[in-house]
Amino acid sequence: SQKIEQNSEALNIQEGKTATLTCNYTNYSPAYLQWYRQDPGRGPVFLLLIRENEKEKRKERLKVTFDTTLKQSLFHITASQPADSATYLCALDGDSSYKLIFGSGTRLLVRP
Amino acid sequence: GAVVSQHPSRVICKSGTSVKIECRSLDFQATTMFWYRQFPKQSLMLMATSNEGSKATYEQGVEKDKFLINHASLTLSTLTVTSAHPEDSSFYICSAASPTGGQETQYFGPGTRLLVL
Repeated sequence: SQKIEQNSEALNIQEGKTATLTCNYTNYSPAYLQWYRQDPGRGPVFLLLIRENEKEKRKERLKVTFDTTLKQSLFHITASQPADSATYLCALDGDSSYKLIFGSGTRLLVRP
Repeated sequence: GAVVSQHPSRVICKSGTSVKIECRSLDFQATTMFWYRQFPKQSLMLMATSNEGSKATYEQGVEKDKFLINHASLTLSTLTVTSAHPEDSSFYICSAASPTGGQETQYFGPGTRLLVL
């Protein structure tokens, strides 16, 4: 079955540095991969979508890469700010009906 | 745009009672909505796909008689947890497929915290 792995350990970085989060997957070839942000006690918020034929996508301070050979996506936040502190989830398209399969998320903590 | 609301945001009920959670798309029509459950420090687990005007599609292991889903209109889907038990206590989140583009992205509601005593 499809398996998505995100680092369960929190990532703790200094403000201004670049945060890099990893999403690995197995037993699947997704047509696209998405990243969401989730704050405590809230629903996830969509950030970026990258398709299988795209290597990289950017949005403001965010950058996502997608390596279908390594079966890995990297999510970067440049010039990180304390307000970026949250849990970041990656999600792959499910087998049908626009279903999404989510990873367990990585918590990011940006220190001022 | 693409705002999804949920009601209630928090509910406490006694074991054996039923609880209804509403999910509304406020500024767009959603033919497809999704219901998720999230336990503390765990990922979102898809429970079912709710389709307007037809029966919901449940994920493996989710009891359809316990988690009743109704998608009566293009802006409203409801999840009813029947005969709730303490193990049903969780964070329930709904989402709607994006109204623009290819519907790959989902817009999530704020979630409903259910506590069954």
